[in-house]
Amino acid sequence: EAGVTQSPTHLIKTRGQQATLRCSPISGHTSVYWYQQALGLGLQFLLWYDEGEERNRGNFPPRFSGRQFPNYSSELNVNALELEDSALYLCASSGRISTDTQYFGPGTRLTVL
Amino acid sequence: GESVGLHLPTLSVQEGDNSIINCAYSNSASDYFIWYKQESGKGPQFIIDIRSNMDKRQGQRVTVLLNKTVKHLSLQIAATQPGDSAVYFCAEIRETSYDKVIFGPGTSLSVIP
Repeated sequence: EAGVTQSPTHLIKTRGQQATLRCSPISGHTSVYWYQQALGLGLQFLLWYDEGEERNRGNFPPRFSGRQFPNYSSELNVNALELEDSALYLCASSGRISTDTQYFGPGTRLTVL
Repeated sequence: GESVGLHLPTLSVQEGDNSIINCAYSNSASDYFIWYKQESGKGPQFIIDIRSNMDKRQGQRVTVLLNKTVKHLSLQIAATQPGDSAVYFCAEIRETSYDKVIFGPGTSLSVIP
C-alpha cells in the first residue's frame, strides 16, 4: 500500500513569493494534516482538512492556507514568503475515525532566500 | 500552558543495550499517546501507540509505558541497533482536539557501534 506522498521534495523561493506544496494521502484516508517543522524545533500544527473542508488551523497567519480536493489530496499555499518560513513541511493523513493514527509523508523542504 | 516535553534532548547508547526515552505530559485528560521516529531527511514514522486506559503496550523490540499518576510516558527499545538512530517524538492527542497532535521537541538517539 502506498504511503503519504508529497511534492516537491525541495522548494527554493525568494522572500515575497508564493509557495505551493502538495500532498496525497493514503488511499482510503479522508483527513489531511499539515505541520511545519522548523530547524531545531518540534512539529507545529498548521491545518487539518477532512472531507474537503478546513476543520481547524493552528496559530499561523492567514497567508498560510490550503485546500483539499475531492480525491482527498491537499495543497498548502504560503503567500508573501518570509525568511522564517524556511522549514520542513510535513503532511499526514488519517482515516475516518477521529482518533486514527496519523501517518506522515516524507515532507517538502522549503527554503526562502 | 499545556505541553508535551521530553526529559532528555539527546541520548547515546551502545549497540545491543536497551534504550529508554522519556516524555512528560501536562494534561491528565489526554486519551492517546503515540511515539514517532524521524530519521534524518524523512518524515516521522509511527512506532507504537497507547491509550490512556492502558499502562503498557509492547511491539516488536519496543515497549511503551504510561504512568498516569505522574503523567509520564516512556519508550523502551530493546537491543538497540544502529538503525534505531533517529529523533524520537512523543505525541499527545486529546479527545476534544483530535485535529491537534501535540508533539514534544524530540530526543535524538545515537547508537554507538
